[in-house]
Amino acid sequence: AQSVSQHNHHVILSEAASLELGCNYSYGGTVNLFWYVQYPGQHLQLLLKYFSGDPLVKGIKGFEAEFIKSKFSFNLRKPSVQWSDTAEYFCAVGRMDSSYKLIFGSGTRLLVRP
Amino acid sequence: EAGVVQSPRYKIIEKKQPVAFWCNPISGHNTLYWYLQNLGQGPELLIRYENEEAVDDSQLPKDRFSAERLKGVDSTLKIQPAELGDSAVYLCASSLDSGTSGYNEQFFGPGTRLTVL
Repeated sequence: AQSVSQHNHHVILSEAASLELGCNYSYGGTVNLFWYVQYPGQHLQLLLKYFSGDPLVKGIKGFEAEFIKSKFSFNLRKPSVQWSDTAEYFCAVGRMDSSYKLIFGSGTRLLVRP
Repeated sequence: EAGVVQSPRYKIIEKKQPVAFWCNPISGHNTLYWYLQNLGQGPELLIRYENEEAVDDSQLPKDRFSAERLKGVDSTLKIQPAELGDSAVYLCASSLDSGTSGYNEQFFGPGTRLTVL
């Protein structure tokens, strides 16, 4: 069965530190890849997505992610985090076949200390 | 533009009682999704509608869960009877279509947090 793994469940950083959140998936076919973010008290919203082309994608608020097909990974990065980045981050994979749906990872809670 | 609307935001019931959640998707969005999110986990798809047709309900526990999307707009998810293990957040999302030939972003509502005592 397809699965999505986020290895870091909780991350604590100081402002201006660099961020990298890991995401690995287990499906071998064609996929679309996403990172969603949920700020405290708010609903899930799309941070960035990858369909094809340049494996380095840029999203909102200075976030970027790199798709490495050989490693089945789609890690999220930000060079310098801010206190306002405190949130929960979810990686999701969509299979491009007849049963298209999103499979989410278990999420990573990021706390940025001012 | 209004986002996905869900009600109620919170619901506390006793086990064996019925409960219903309501979702109003973004106007013009044909595809509607219900997800279950347990504490410490990511959302898991329960059912997906294309207009009024349930096209993927393979993860819906049909012995106690039911859903409908009359007229292809609003949707209701029902649990009867509720069990302690049903305590979770129930998320509704919508998209222009399911994106089987591409992708359409899924927009999520705020969710309904259900507590079963």
